[in-house]
Amino acid sequence: GQQLNQSPQSMFIQEGEDVSMNCTSSSIFNTWLWYKQDPGEGPVLLIALYKAGELTSNGRLTAQFGITRKDSFLNISASIPSDVGIYFCAGQGGFGGATNKLIFGTGTLLAVQP
Amino acid sequence: NAGVTQTPKFRILKIGQSMTLQCAQDMNHNYMYWYRQDPGMGLKLIYYSVGAGITDKGEVPNGYNVSRSTTEDFPLRLELAAPSQTSVYFCASRGGATNEKLFFGSGTQLSVL
Repeated sequence: GQQLNQSPQSMFIQEGEDVSMNCTSSSIFNTWLWYKQDPGEGPVLLIALYKAGELTSNGRLTAQFGITRKDSFLNISASIPSDVGIYFCAGQGGFGGATNKLIFGTGTLLAVQP
Repeated sequence: NAGVTQTPKFRILKIGQSMTLQCAQDMNHNYMYWYRQDPGMGLKLIYYSVGAGITDKGEVPNGYNVSRSTTEDFPLRLELAAPSQTSVYFCASRGGATNEKLFFGSGTQLSVL
């Protein structure tokens, strides 16, 4: 089945630092999404990307849809303690039954030290 | 608006027992999903449904069953619980294939001992 590999697996940073994480796929996706999960909660959508090469921002968060359509990147600038959580990428295919499914990456655990 | 409601929040099962995880949404969403999340891992798709009466397997369907008799409800059934099914289960819904925003429930933490 489709695999989404996310890296790094975890990050421990100081408040104010910038963060970068990425997600790669073995197959092409038509939509890339980035979610954040707080402890004890379900994931919440941060950014959605719809076109290869697209760069989209949401406050201090910026995400890009890779040109090959097999990868995506998320950057967080000037991290703050409330950025702590697990960040997931997710991809949706564009053909037939694949449009019905969202496949999630393995997650990046972010810890921010004040 | 309640959104996606999952019950129970926690459950401990003995090996071989059965149970149903309940999921209901009040947003009139056609698409509903069940994911499991193991420690340190991402979300794995178990089953999904694109409308009442229609269900399909995800990545890890073995050991589970679902039904979708109404738009609102999408229960997940474990028939013979096994330790490998110890996980956190999330139900989610969205309006359709072109609507990417997935609404998640708060999860059910299941331990099989």
